[in-house]
Amino acid sequence: GAGVSQSPSNKVTEKGKDVELRCDPISGHTALYWYRQSLGQGLEFLIYFQGNSAPDKSGLPSDRFSAERTGGSVSTLTIQRTQQEDSAVYLCASSLFRFRDRDSGNTIYFGEGSWLTVV
Amino acid sequence: DAKTTQPPSMDCAEGRAANLPCNHSTISGNEYVYWYRQIHSQGPQYIIHGLKNNETNEMASLIITEDRKSSTLILPHATLRDTAVYYCIVRVAVTTDSWGKLQFGAGTQVVVTP
Repeated sequence: GAGVSQSPSNKVTEKGKDVELRCDPISGHTALYWYRQSLGQGLEFLIYFQGNSAPDKSGLPSDRFSAERTGGSVSTLTIQRTQQEDSAVYLCASSLFRFRDRDSGNTIYFGEGSWLTVV
Repeated sequence: DAKTTQPPSMDCAEGRAANLPCNHSTISGNEYVYWYRQIHSQGPQYIIHGLKNNETNEMASLIITEDRKSSTLILPHATLRDTAVYYCIVRVAVTTDSWGKLQFGAGTQVVVTP
């Protein structure tokens, strides 16, 4: 089946503008995650959704960052008043959510990312 | 969560087995060992995971020591397309109290040469 789909794949925006990044998780996956990776850096956790709720948003770097998920499916990450340090690839991932991991029911699968450049 | 230690880089000859080590000496009983890789400019790709027993799938084998303090990812016949950063991650089991956050370290840059 289809994997995690993200759009746009590339986005160039001017400093101070707002951007929205979209994620379509694997069908049926109840858990959804956002990470980001700055150039040459490691992957940084941003937020985790279970259904439409976000039990863990501890990784959001500032109040300019927000995310929502609707219908237990599509998620949008919004960055307001973008800054140059926001330039990074934003990765979305999804998984089922089972309490017994042995059947790989909790494996997290990533999309290809949205490359954001703030100029 | 337990942390992992991996060598920053290693080279491997095409067609040979690549053995990637990982130390996780503070791993707890409810923590799994996961391996992902990230090929340049792509999203991380799941490879394999295990708890106590050795595991094998179509991509790789995972050997976990009996005391669970270290593990080795084996790519049986490395190809040029296996050049990537490989991440060893210790992940808490998903329970009612934990969603099993996946935390990435620096990983090992593996370069497969002809």
